[in-house]
Amino acid sequence: EPEVTQTPSHQVTQMGQEVILRCVPISNHLYFYWYRQILGQKVEFLVSFYNNEISEKSEIFDDQFSVERPDGSNFTLKIRSTKLEDSAMYFCASNARKNEQFFGPGTRLTVL
Amino acid sequence: RKEVEQDPGPFNVPEGATVAFNCTYSNSASQSFFWYRQDCRKEPKLLMSVYSSGNEDGRFTAQLNRASQYISLLIRDSKLSDSATYLCVVNNFGNEKLTFGTGTRLTIIP
Repeated sequence: EPEVTQTPSHQVTQMGQEVILRCVPISNHLYFYWYRQILGQKVEFLVSFYNNEISEKSEIFDDQFSVERPDGSNFTLKIRSTKLEDSAMYFCASNARKNEQFFGPGTRLTVL
Repeated sequence: RKEVEQDPGPFNVPEGATVAFNCTYSNSASQSFFWYRQDCRKEPKLLMSVYSSGNEDGRFTAQLNRASQYISLLIRDSKLSDSATYLCVVNNFGNEKLTFGTGTRLTIIP
């Protein structure tokens, strides 16, 4: 069964450093998303991406965040200057139509 | 008012019991509804979509009441493997993002 994959599974970084989280969505999917989940809290939407551009972003997704689809398979989330409060699980998701989204296993980001 | 509201639990029920979860949503324009399950420190996984007429998948039954903006999930003959957090999820009209509730923690006791 095809699945969304994410790397790395765990990223530890120093405050102020840049991080890039990587995702490979399911191959025939067209819509891509990033969500985050702070420990003990709910899953929150960050950004959606379709046809090589951002289609929607949340208030969390400020100028420190960016997304890119550098080739036909990868979908990346970059945080330019990490803060302590960026520590969370980051989930990538994709879907073929505007309904059932499938999630990757997540990247646990720890900012020290 | 929270966009999607759930009783956080925990619900501790014996194996074989029937358990029901409820969820309310605030946006009357919401169009699509789902139940996802999330195991500890894992990704959310789609359990089932929820349709206006109600739908069943094995031991799981989901209901939607648009007038009351209320969604429910019923699990019959619960198994130990049903222990997880159940997330009520809503997708608003013309909007791709999913909005999650905080989840209801379920533990099935042997």
